[in-house]
Amino acid sequence: NAGVTQTPKFQVLKTGQSMTLQCAQDMNHEYMSWYRQDPGMGLRLIHYSVGAGITDQGEVPNGYNVSRSTTEDFPLRLLSAAPSQTSVYFCASSVEAALFDEQYFGPGTRLTVT
Amino acid sequence: KQEVTQIPAALSVPEGENLVLNCSFTDSAIYNLQWFRQDPGKGLTSLLLIQSSQREQTSGRLNASLDKSSGRSTLYIAASQPGDSATYLCAAEWANNLFFGTGTRLTVIP
Repeated sequence: NAGVTQTPKFQVLKTGQSMTLQCAQDMNHEYMSWYRQDPGMGLRLIHYSVGAGITDQGEVPNGYNVSRSTTEDFPLRLLSAAPSQTSVYFCASSVEAALFDEQYFGPGTRLTVT
Repeated sequence: KQEVTQIPAALSVPEGENLVLNCSFTDSAIYNLQWFRQDPGKGLTSLLLIQSSQREQTSGRLNASLDKSSGRSTLYIAASQPGDSATYLCAAEWANNLFFGTGTRLTVIP
């Protein structure tokens, strides 16, 4: 199993540009989520999905969109990038929708918005 | 607002020493608590998961405890090794949201 994969590893955007961060897992996990990690603030939940076709907002959803058309994929879209979205983004998955299982994290995407 | 706190932010110990990392949380009605390890520039690796009904979990040299009534969890590392150097994060789950502490950066000196 490849586990949780994320692409790209690094990205530089200009303010106002749009892009999609890709996340895929091959473990048939129901629950997937996106976090951002900023210095001094820990990881914060952006959006999550408890299964295909179902998404919900986390702690910091503004400026981000998600969709879950398949069990395997959970892309994160930035429609109009802002410097405040400069961060490291992590995708995670777990077996159960109720989060009773350990989380598996991807390697992260480091995004810089200028 | 749910908050998770880890103190100290950084810790240095000589190789072979036993050590304890601390995690506190504001709401005792958590579903579970997890400890993660993060190496520089890498993702997170889950170390131990404690369900709300459990008091502790063990894996090798690691032992994590949970005291919901006091809002505290500890991660005990026995006989520390230089390879244990990393940032350790705890995270508490409330209702499908996982709240992370800012981590303790551990350095084990050979």
